[in-house]
This record gives sequence, structure tokens and C-alpha cells, in this order.
Amino acid sequence: SQQGEEDPQALSIQEGENATMNCSYKTSINNLQWYRQNSGRGLVHLILIRSNEREKHSGRLRVTLDTSKKSSSLLITASRAADTASYFCAKGREETSGSRLTFGEGTQLTVNP
Amino acid sequence: DGGITQSPKYLFRKEGQNVTLSCEQNLNHDAMYWYRQDPGQGLRLIYYSQIVNDFQKGDIAEGYSVSREKKESFPLTVTSAQKNPTAFYLCASSIGGSLSGNTIYFGEGSWLTVV
Repeated sequence: SQQGEEDPQALSIQEGENATMNCSYKTSINNLQWYRQNSGRGLVHLILIRSNEREKHSGRLRVTLDTSKKSSSLLITASRAADTASYFCAKGREETSGSRLTFGEGTQLTVNP
Repeated sequence: DGGITQSPKYLFRKEGQNVTLSCEQNLNHDAMYWYRQDPGQGLRLIYYSQIVNDFQKGDIAEGYSVSREKKESFPLTVTSAQKNPTAFYLCASSIGGSLSGNTIYFGEGSWLTVV
């Protein structure tokens, strides 16, 4: 089954509104990372939150992690048209076979001017 | 400027051909990675290398090969054995070799199309 499942698959909002994207997972993790991808470009790292952390901020971004619910959310406040992109969560975990970073399928965010 | 350079940006492959995608980084990172992304999908790991002269298979290594002869270079060859190679390929690197605990820095990607 898909690890790091994201919800919603697509989100369309107006400039100035807040955007919330969610990520769920099934097995335990060491950390969870959020990345942004503009269409046809590489991914850019936004925030890494460790399993012993509950919330992190970076500018207009706020990430929360609830390990009891196995879920994380990314909140973008006061969105701008330039925030239009795909946002991916990536779950980091250690296995007996080595470390793994598994990407979800992403949320496509459209911010309308 | 420091970063990861992928080339070419666009590549067309005929049936039965091998093609090689270049990836160079000047970040002095130990680890390098190759991911494949299909339209509307997330990233899947093809190969990764934690140190020079060593690399491991990822989740979808069949039909691909890599080498890591230099720290800054990690080329990916898409062989004729890869039956569905049309995709967006992303090279990445990180300071440490752990896949799970490091920030991953990505190149701008290469589009490969089979014609």
C-alpha cells in the first residue's frame, strides 16, 4: 500500500487563504520531510520534523506531526500565487535492510490570484 | 554556484537503445540518488550511492545501471531492458549517507521519452 499518503490530491484556493495538506503513514518513522515541486522542476526541501517533535515553523509554513495518529500536516498561511506547486511528504525510517525515504504522491496546490 | 546539474534536460530514446543521464554535484555531498517520477506520481528510488565506488539498488532498479567512480558524479544508464523508460528522472544528493535522516537536494531533472 502507498506510504506517505497525501490528502487532498488537489487543492485550489484564493490568494490570502490558508492551505492545509495532510500526510498519513502506516509504519513507524524517524522523521517526516516536506518538499515542494514546481511543474517540470526538481524538488525543494521545505521542512524536516523528527519523530520526537510535534510542530515546526519556517516562515509561512507550519508542520505538525502526530505520531499517535500517524499523520502530519503542512499549513501554508496567507498563500500567494507563487505557492502554486506540488507538495510531497517523505517518510524517513530505519529498517534492518537500511534506511529508507518514501515519497507520497503529492498534493497539487493551485493558488488563484 | 553550488548545486546539482543534470543533463540533458530532454532526451529521446529509440527502442533497444541504452542512454545515459548525467548528474554532477559540487556540494561535496557523500550520498547521491536517482529517482524516477511518472506523471502525477511520487518519486521512486532507482539506485543510491552512499560513498564513492559503492552503490545499492533502490525499489525499481531493474533495467537501470549506475556507477560512482568520482564523488561528484553519478551517471544513470537506462538500458534496453527497461521496458517503460518514459519518465522524469531526478538526481539528488545529501551530506550524509542515511536515506532517512538527511535533507535531500535535487537537480532540475531530465525528461526521457521513448520514440
